[in-house]
Amino acid sequence: KNEVEQSPQNLTAQEGEFITINCSYSVGISALHWLQQHPGGGIVSLFMLSSGKKKHGRLIATINIQEKHSSLHITASHPRDSAVYICAVAQFGASNYQLIWGAGTKLIIKP
Amino acid sequence: NAGVTQTPKFQVLKTGQSMTLQCAQDMNHNSMYWYRQDPGMGLRLIYYSASEGTTDKGEVPNGYNVSRLNKREFSLRLESAAPSQTSVYFCASSEVFRNTEAFFGQGTRLTVV
Repeated sequence: KNEVEQSPQNLTAQEGEFITINCSYSVGISALHWLQQHPGGGIVSLFMLSSGKKKHGRLIATINIQEKHSSLHITASHPRDSAVYICAVAQFGASNYQLIWGAGTKLIIKP
Repeated sequence: NAGVTQTPKFQVLKTGQSMTLQCAQDMNHNSMYWYRQDPGMGLRLIYYSASEGTTDKGEVPNGYNVSRLNKREFSLRLESAAPSQTSVYFCASSEVFRNTEAFFGQGTRLTVV
């Protein structure tokens, strides 16, 4: 079983729909990242969470540390939101640092 | 403000050749990272530099060396390229090591034949 699981793997929706992407993890973490990778390959950091909820424009990210679960929501989705969304959890030890990546969720928004 | 700049964007090497991937950030960030991304594997950390003057191994350091030349620049060197190092490489930086958002470069697509 992967330490970071994302669902769904693929998601196709119509423009304007409310989108939810889920991330569950099985390890202790210091923080969780949500990133966006566009078809051209570039990666953009969307959020870094260690508790609660963050909002940026139409994007909302939440995390529940007790349940080891995070969600990324997109409101009023648009075709330009089409991308791969990646969840990654950060583990910080006394002398090391590790990021464990989910496999990504491929989102397609149709006009 | 260019953010994180990687060069080159594309490179083809023959097995055994060496090359250096360059990365520079103009955000005055303390921490810098090198990742590789392979199909079905996600991103894996090769090396990181928590602050200027320090470097540490990540998950997959074998076959690579790094240099934190100054606060802005963090280079990744392949001394003797192997086909297994065919991948897309990403450099990233963050303001402070731990608990901050990372900013990524556009990636370098490397093919070793």
